Amino acid sequence: DGGITQSPKYLFRKEGQNVTLSCEQNLNHDAMYWYRQDPGQGLRLIYYSQIVNDFQKGDIAEGYSVSREKKESFPLTVTSAQKNPTAFYLCASTRRGGVRVTGELFFGEGSRLTVL
Amino acid sequence: DQQVKQNSPSLSVQEGRISILNCDYTNSMFDYFLWYKKYPAEGPTFLISISSIKDKNEDGRFTVFLNKSAKHLSLHIVPSQPGDSAVYFCAARPGGSEKLVFGKGTKLTVNP
Repeated sequence: DGGITQSPKYLFRKEGQNVTLSCEQNLNHDAMYWYRQDPGQGLRLIYYSQIVNDFQKGDIAEGYSVSREKKESFPLTVTSAQKNPTAFYLCASTRRGGVRVTGELFFGEGSRLTVL
Repeated sequence: DQQVKQNSPSLSVQEGRISILNCDYTNSMFDYFLWYKKYPAEGPTFLISISSIKDKNEDGRFTVFLNKSAKHLSLHIVPSQPGDSAVYFCAARPGGSEKLVFGKGTKLTVNP
């Protein structure tokens, strides 16, 4: 079945450590996105990528980094520079043209990161 | 500045009755609106959408209404079922943008 796989589902890390969250999709989607959700908050865009080897900052990119070496994969690294990294992270994808054309995003099941 | 507002954090309704979830927006450049449903510890799933050139879109038990002059949209669920209990996010797309702007969500509880 096609879908978006995020791993790990739960992750605990010590403060000051970088951590990488995996996102893989087999939907043949061109565009991929990373969102962050905090309790009582909406989803906020961290980074997005329309094509391989290209990505743009979203609204809250500081302290995060991404890469897009393959169409299927869009890993997110939460660096030690991120002031408040504990959150629920959601990866999403959509068809060619991205949100501008279709509007609809397909989400993974999320990764919950807790920094101790 | 919150461009998409869901002012009710929670809503409780009886099974079989109508659920009405509301969303207000401030950006008149939004041209497409979506509702997502989210269960705990899962990613949101797309529910229904509406273009700014329409005022109503229906899909089974779900209907979305758009009032552009009031910058208001609502999601109606009729009849409500216990399985509809979830957090509902309203989202909007600025015209030509690659981003969706999300509201904070409304937690719907449908009681049997």
